[in-house]
Amino acid sequence: GQNIDQPTEMTATEGAIVQINCTYQTSGFNGLFWYQQHAGEAPTFLSYNVLDGLEEKGRFSSFLSRSKGYSYLLLKELQMKDSASYLCAVIKAAGNKLTFGGGTRVLVKP
Amino acid sequence: DTGVSQDPRHKITKRGQNVTFRCDPISEHNRLYWYRQTLGQGPEFLTYFQNEAQLEKSRLLSDRFSAERPKGSFSTLEIQRTEQGDSAMYLCASSSGQGNNSPLHFGNGTRLTVT
Repeated sequence: GQNIDQPTEMTATEGAIVQINCTYQTSGFNGLFWYQQHAGEAPTFLSYNVLDGLEEKGRFSSFLSRSKGYSYLLLKELQMKDSASYLCAVIKAAGNKLTFGGGTRVLVKP
Repeated sequence: DTGVSQDPRHKITKRGQNVTFRCDPISEHNRLYWYRQTLGQGPEFLTYFQNEAQLEKSRLLSDRFSAERPKGSFSTLEIQRTEQGDSAMYLCASSSGQGNNSPLHFGNGTRLTVT
């Protein structure tokens, strides 16, 4: 089976930085995705990591350590519109299903 | 391209009734996925198709659930004899399936309420 753990909720201030951690236990790991989901809307793709290291995309970065079963999503220069749930998801094999964690609800305060 | 579309957006039904949802994936995508999501939780995998072939079904999918993708384009998810526990958001997603990192693109979902 797969265990994917991430914090339930985080609060941060506009302009600040927030780091959302995700740990996973799975066999046959083939990559990790991060999605953003605003309330009542579809999840939207943010990033994909398959090799160890940091992937940067504007204000968002994602890090992966395969040996530790660990990833984080870093959100910089937080804006009010970043208030959303952030979903960590693992893929075991090419084209196979994504298995999601429970999501981390981030609340950005002024 | 308008992305993944799902119909209806909302469905309210009485316990015991059958319901059917439709998903139209992004046109060039050959993989199609169904997920279920309840409030405050991440999406749970239900089933997926490559073209018209249903390749995997979750153990969450009881005999009351059936999904089809007859021509490898749109898909339908039917729930028979609905129960209150079936109330959830049903999400459809598609991907091109090219390479390991082709992301899933989700539709806005069908919210089912069983009374």
